[in-house]
Parts: sequence; C-alpha cells; structure tokens
Amino acid sequence: GAGVSQTPSNKVTEKGKYVELRCDPISGHTALYWYRQSLGQGPEFLIYFQGTGAADDSGLPNDRFFAVRPEGSVSTLKIQRTERGDSAVYLCASSLTRDNQETQYFGPGTRLLVL
Amino acid sequence: DAKTTQPPSMDCAEGRAANLPCNHSTISGNEYVYWYRQIHSQGPQYIIHGLKNNETNEMASLIITEDRKSSTLILPHATLRDTAVYYCIVRVATSGTYKYIFGTGTRLKVLA
Repeated sequence: GAGVSQTPSNKVTEKGKYVELRCDPISGHTALYWYRQSLGQGPEFLIYFQGTGAADDSGLPNDRFFAVRPEGSVSTLKIQRTERGDSAVYLCASSLTRDNQETQYFGPGTRLLVL
Repeated sequence: DAKTTQPPSMDCAEGRAANLPCNHSTISGNEYVYWYRQIHSQGPQYIIHGLKNNETNEMASLIITEDRKSSTLILPHATLRDTAVYYCIVRVATSGTYKYIFGTGTRLKVLA
C-alpha cells in the first residue's frame, strides 16, 4: 500500500521567509511524528500528534516552529522567519497505534535549504 | 541525549554476515530496542525490534543480551544494497507518548 508521503521533496527559500511542509501519513494511522535531521546526524524528534492534538511538542526548537493536524490525517509543519540554521531534512513518520507494538514508518523527507 | 552507542562505521564483504553492535546500558525494563536503516537521501526504513527475546524476520536477526544492555543486528548475507546508515534506537515512553531517540548510527559499507 501507499507509504508516508511528503511534499515538497525539496524547498529552497530565503532567510526570513515563511515555509510550510506537508505530510500525508499512511491511511488509518492515528499517530504522526515530525523529526528534523541535520547533515551527518540522526533524526531529532520535534512533535507528536495523536489524532488531531499535539500530544508532545517538546522537540520544537522555538516558537517559530508550529505544526497542525486539523482533521487527524494530513499534517503541516510551519516555520516562520526562516533562518539559515533551519536548513535540514524534515522527516515525517506515522504509526498505527500507541501500544507496545508501535512501529513508526517514515516518509522520504523534505530537504529545506534556507539561503 | 541518545540512549545508544554504536561504532561510527563498519565494512563487510558481500555475501558475509554483517554484525552491527549497539550498547544501551541505561535501558529500562519496558523500553524496546528498534533498528532502522537509512539509505542515502531516503527516509529511515524499519528493520526489526525487540524487548528481551531474540527476534528474526525476513530482513535480519536481533540478538539482545540477557541483561538487555546491548544488542546485535545481524544481516545474514550482506549485499551491496545493504550499504546504509544503521540506527539502533531505544523507544522511550514519556508524557504519555513514545519517542525514538536516535544516535548517530553506524555507517555500513558492503564491499564487492
């Protein structure tokens, strides 16, 4: 079946601009996660949604970052006043359930470059 | 902070078994060990996970020591397509959710 999809695959923007990154999770998956991966590093947790609500946003680096999931499916990560340090790959993952057998399935990521 | 430590890189001859070690000495009793791999420019791909028993699936085997402080991922017959960064992850329960805490992984290069 279809996996997690993310759009755009690449995004180039200028410092100070606003960007939106979209994630389409696997159909029926109630849990959705955003991660950020800098060059040469493992992914870092940003935020977790269970349904429509953000259950844990402790990984968001500052208030320029915000994410929504209004209907409990598609999610959008929003970054205001982008900075060069925001350049990274933004990964989305989804899982079917929160129980002890939860496995996260990742999308291909959006590569963000802030000039 | 990552709860796992892995060697930064390893080489393996094609057709041989690749054994990737991971230390997770601070793991708690109900925390699972997950393994993912990431091929260049792709998202992480799930391989296998376990709690205390050894596990095997079509991709790999996972051997967890009795004290659960370390584990080994085994790719029984490595191919060139197995060249990737392999992440050993402890799934952490916090604030009613589960998070993956990634380290920097092991870069496995399979040699022809």
